[in-house]
Amino acid sequence: KNEVEQSPQNLTAQEGEFITINCSYSVGISALHWLQQHPGGGIVSLFMLSSGKKKHGRLIATINIQEKHSSLHITASHPRDSAVYICAVTGNQFYFGTGTSLTVIP
Amino acid sequence: GAGVSQSPSNKVTEKGKDVELRCDPISGHTALYWYRQSLGQGLEFLIYFQGNSAPDKSGLPSDRFSAERTGGSVSTLTIQRTQQEDSAVYLCASSLGPRGSYEQYFGPGTRLTVT
Repeated sequence: KNEVEQSPQNLTAQEGEFITINCSYSVGISALHWLQQHPGGGIVSLFMLSSGKKKHGRLIATINIQEKHSSLHITASHPRDSAVYICAVTGNQFYFGTGTSLTVIP
Repeated sequence: GAGVSQSPSNKVTEKGKDVELRCDPISGHTALYWYRQSLGQGLEFLIYFQGNSAPDKSGLPSDRFSAERTGGSVSTLTIQRTQQEDSAVYLCASSLGPRGSYEQYFGPGTRLTVT
C-alpha cells in the first residue's frame, strides 16, 4: 500500500493546455510538497503547503486536508514544463509519490 | 548564495567496499535530509537531522548505512560493504528549520554505482 498516490503516471499535453496532476495521501501530515525533476537534472521544490492554495507564476497548488488530496495545476503549459512532478508529504515520516512524467509537445 | 552541494557527483565502487558521500547544506539551515532515488523507483527517505536533536534514522535500509552531521553543518553518509542494490542517486536537502515547516532545497545528488 502506498501512502501517497499520484495520477496520472504519465501525461502528454499540447503546448498551451491546462494541466492537472493529482495527489492523494492516507497519512496525517504537517505539510505537502510538490517537487519538479527535469530529465537528468536535480530536484526543485515548487510548493510546500499545509492548507488552501498557492500560486507561483503559471503554477497553482491546492490542498484539501479533509479529503487528503492535493492538485498541481499548470496553466498555459510550455515544453520547458516537461519534467517529472513528485508529490511528497511530511508527517511522522516522509512519503513520496512515484511521480508524474509530463511531456509538453510544441 | 550557494545552494546545497554534494560530493562526489559520481562514484563507482566495487561490491564490498565502503563509500562516503558528503553534503554541504545551505549556510544557516538547521535541518538536513538524505534521500535515495533508485533507477526506475521513486524517492526514498533515509535520515533527517534537525539542530542538536537526535537524528531520525527510520529510513535507513540496513545497518550498513550510517550518517553523521558534524558541527550542525556538513553531513557524511557512509555505506559499508556496498551491495549492487545500493546503486542509486543519493540526494541531500536542507531547510531553514524543522521538517514540515520550511521548504527543502535539494543538492544535485551523488550517483553511486556498485559493480
